[in-house]
Amino acid sequence: GAGVSQSPRYKVAKRGQDVALRCDPISGHVSLFWYQQALGQGPEFLTYFQNEAQLDKSGLPSDRFFAERPEGSVSTLKIQRTQQEDSAVYLCASSLEPYRANEKLFFGSGTQLSVL
Amino acid sequence: DQQVKQNSPSLSVQEGRISILNCDYTNSMFDYFLWYKKYPAEGPTFLISISSIKDKNEDGRFTVFLNKSAKHLSLHIVPSQPGDSAVYFCAASFDRNFNKFYFGSGTKLNVKP
Repeated sequence: GAGVSQSPRYKVAKRGQDVALRCDPISGHVSLFWYQQALGQGPEFLTYFQNEAQLDKSGLPSDRFFAERPEGSVSTLKIQRTQQEDSAVYLCASSLEPYRANEKLFFGSGTQLSVL
Repeated sequence: DQQVKQNSPSLSVQEGRISILNCDYTNSMFDYFLWYKKYPAEGPTFLISISSIKDKNEDGRFTVFLNKSAKHLSLHIVPSQPGDSAVYFCAASFDRNFNKFYFGSGTKLNVKP
């Protein structure tokens, strides 16, 4: 596709519910990132994939958060037993090269998750 | 602990004048600094970057200045245009772990016609 695509655009979940957020990166992009953006804050790193390998998951806030990219293209971020503090915009980004410093990231429009 | 800070949540500037957006950081080991621009309902888009070995980088109307001794960088937009109205995030990364960006909380720029 022309850009990074994320779905759904909005998700409302009841506390305790599981959710799955999808990211379609730009075709051919090797690197894929997930960021979490709370209201009024900047994006915070969650995890990084190079192809299908998850090379860094140090930003995942708890073991309720799980991300995968099984075939090196589409990625899914899953949040189990959602809590109110999980409410945020979840941004996916991709880049062409195996990540190097100063590489441009292309962000999707994000999924806004609201946990009631 | 937030390593990258943008202390001005908003800035209003008249069209044609200069916009100066500021960013401070606490970790002197950062190797790269970037600015991203974000319109409502869209993801951030890359604007301009600077390596820690430089003190200035220019791209058209946009110039980023880096003052390492003060741990401060700024983005200058000259002349400002109404289409520049957006939220601007500064971000920093380490060379040894450059797959992770540290973002500031953003400054909302409003350029008045």
